[in-house]
Amino acid sequence: SQQGEEDPQALSIQEGENATMNCSYKTSINNLQWYRQNSGRGLVHLILIRSNEREKHSGRLRVTLDTSKKSSSLLITASRAADTASYFCATAMFSGGYNKLIFGAGTRLAVHP
Amino acid sequence: DTEVTQTPKHLVMGMTNKKSLKCEQHMGHRAMYWYKQKAKKPPELMFVYSYEKLSINESVPSRFSPECPNSSLLNLHLHALQPEDSALYLCASSQGYPGATNEKLFFGSGTQLSVL
Repeated sequence: SQQGEEDPQALSIQEGENATMNCSYKTSINNLQWYRQNSGRGLVHLILIRSNEREKHSGRLRVTLDTSKKSSSLLITASRAADTASYFCATAMFSGGYNKLIFGAGTRLAVHP
Repeated sequence: DTEVTQTPKHLVMGMTNKKSLKCEQHMGHRAMYWYKQKAKKPPELMFVYSYEKLSINESVPSRFSPECPNSSLLNLHLHALQPEDSALYLCASSQGYPGATNEKLFFGSGTQLSVL
């Protein structure tokens, strides 16, 4: 089963609005990462938040982590049409001596001009 | 150079064909990965190479055969695939050992594979 679950599955907003995506996970983590994927393309790493961090910022991105609730959120402020993409959270599961990065189901964001 | 390059970008093959997907990175990364992604689904891990040795095989059918000729190259050999194997195949790399924490992945643009 997937380590991370995201909601909403799809989000449609107007340019200039904020977009919030949530991710829940099941097991203890060392860090949680967010990736972005434009349609039919590879994933691009956005931000990594460590388990001992509660909030992190990068440009228009704000990520929070609540380890007690096993959840994270990604906020994109002042959205642009170019932010239209799928956003995935990813957590590392330690298995067989390795940390395997497992992706959540993703949120498809559409930003309309 | 911060790119992971995958070729070809698109591939159509019959169930009896043999083909190969190629991936290349020149960032000095020591771990390389193959992921499979179906439409509107998250990427699923297939294989991990660490220092040119196969470290993780996620119970992938033998019709998929990975190869790491050197630290910069990763191949995925395909033989006798099924239509349900049609998907986007993504290559990724990371700087260090897959067991290290806080490793982030750099992805290629993928090969869109259609099996007829």
